[in-house]
Amino acid sequence: QSALTQPASVSGSPGQSITISCTGTSSDIGGHDYVSWYQQHPGKAPKRMVYDVIKRPAGVSNRFSGSKSGNTASLTISGLQAEDEADYYCSSYTSSSTFVVFGGGTKLTVL
Amino acid sequence: QVQLVESGGGLVQPGGSLRLSCAASGFTFTDYYMSWVRQAPGKGLEWVSYISSSGRTSYADSVMGRFTISRDNDKNSLSLQMNTLRDEDTAVYYCARTSRLRALFDWWGQGTLVTVSS
Repeated sequence: QSALTQPASVSGSPGQSITISCTGTSSDIGGHDYVSWYQQHPGKAPKRMVYDVIKRPAGVSNRFSGSKSGNTASLTISGLQAEDEADYYCSSYTSSSTFVVFGGGTKLTVL
Repeated sequence: QVQLVESGGGLVQPGGSLRLSCAASGFTFTDYYMSWVRQAPGKGLEWVSYISSSGRTSYADSVMGRFTISRDNDKNSLSLQMNTLRDEDTAVYYCARTSRLRALFDWWGQGTLVTVSS
C-alpha cells in the first residue's frame, strides 16, 4: 500500500480537462511544498512534469498544472491530447525517515 | 543534455548478488545527489537509496543492510551493490538525478531489469 493515495484510473475525451488527486498527511503533502508529478508511458522511464507543487520544468506544456490544498495535491491536464495517455505518479517530501513517498499511480485514458 | 545509462541487470537466484551501474553525462555530477528508484512489474515507484556528492547515504527499510550505494565522482558513475536478493527485489531499477531538498528526481535513466527467480 502506497503512502500517498491516488485514484487508480481517470479518463477524459480529447480537449477536455481532468484532475488527478493525491492525498497524504501533514507529514508529507500537508507539511511541505515539495510535491512532484511524473508521467510514465508504457515501457518508458518516468518524466518530471511538475515540481514544488506548481512549477513546470522547461519544455513541459502549460496544459499541465499543479496545486495543493491541505493534505491533498492535484494535477490538472487541460486540453487533453492522445499523447497524454499514460500513468501519472505523485510524490512528496516527507519528514519521516524515508525522505520521499510516492502515490500508487493513476492510469489516464484518453477516450 | 543530461544522460543516465544503467547497466548490470539480469536474472539472479534468490540469495544471490548483482551490481548495477549508471553512467552519467551532460551535467556536473558532483553538484547532485543521485538515487536508485525501482518499479516492480505492474507496480508503482519505490525509492531505494540515495547518495550525496560527498558520499552520505540513505536507504529504504526494505533494502537496508542488503544493498550498498556508491559513486565515483572521477568517473561520473553510480553503483548499487545488491546482496541477499529476494523475489520481491524483482523490478526495473532506475538511476535518477536527485534534489534531496525537494525530494525530486529530475532526470531518469532508461532502467535496467533485475529478475530474482530460481
